[in-house]
Amino acid sequence: DIQMTQSPSSLSASVGDRVTITCRASQSISSYLNWYQQKPGKAPKPLIYAASTLQSGVPSRFSGSGSGTDFTLTISSLQPEDFATYYCQRSFNTPRTFGQGTKVEI
Amino acid sequence: EVQLVESGGGLVQPGRSLRLSCTASGFTFGDYAMTWVRQAPGKGLEWVSFIGTKAYGGTAEYAASVKGRFTISRDDSKSIAYLQMNSLKTEDTAVYYCARDWNHSGDYWGQGTLVTVSS
Repeated sequence: DIQMTQSPSSLSASVGDRVTITCRASQSISSYLNWYQQKPGKAPKPLIYAASTLQSGVPSRFSGSGSGTDFTLTISSLQPEDFATYYCQRSFNTPRTFGQGTKVEI
Repeated sequence: EVQLVESGGGLVQPGRSLRLSCTASGFTFGDYAMTWVRQAPGKGLEWVSFIGTKAYGGTAEYAASVKGRFTISRDDSKSIAYLQMNSLKTEDTAVYYCARDWNHSGDYWGQGTLVTVSS
């Protein structure tokens, strides 16, 4: 099975910072990559699908890029509500494996 | 408004069974594939199972960790997706979420239901 590896596992940042999270697949997954945000005690919130397409209602400070095995999620200017854990997920084919998560904290 | 509501969680002994339900509203349920994802306490997200639409054969897929023990199904007339969980293990303890599948992504999620497997 394809493994999804995120880095870093956690990061500290300040409001206004540019934040980049990386997700690497163990084999090529084309652009079949989703990103989610999760806050404690809440369901995951979809952010991006097909590697770079924003879900409806997601602020434009979020962006995704990449294809093949290497992907990034970028938050251009971190806002207080963005402190959360972020997950990548392989899509389309199964198993739709998640990365281990990246916790963004102050 | 799209809503997904999971139910059926609770405390169950190892080896026993439990059936989760995901009741959908606000959209034409039969037009969408559905997914179950779980999260063990303090851990990350784990994809569990997927069921396609009847139009595409209603294909069911499972994570290796649950294959042969869990069965996903759907009742389009009731707008409900099910997850039948048999031979439960302590490591199945988690919050179980259902999600609507759109463009191979979970675009709407339920609030989750907690399953605790313990003697």
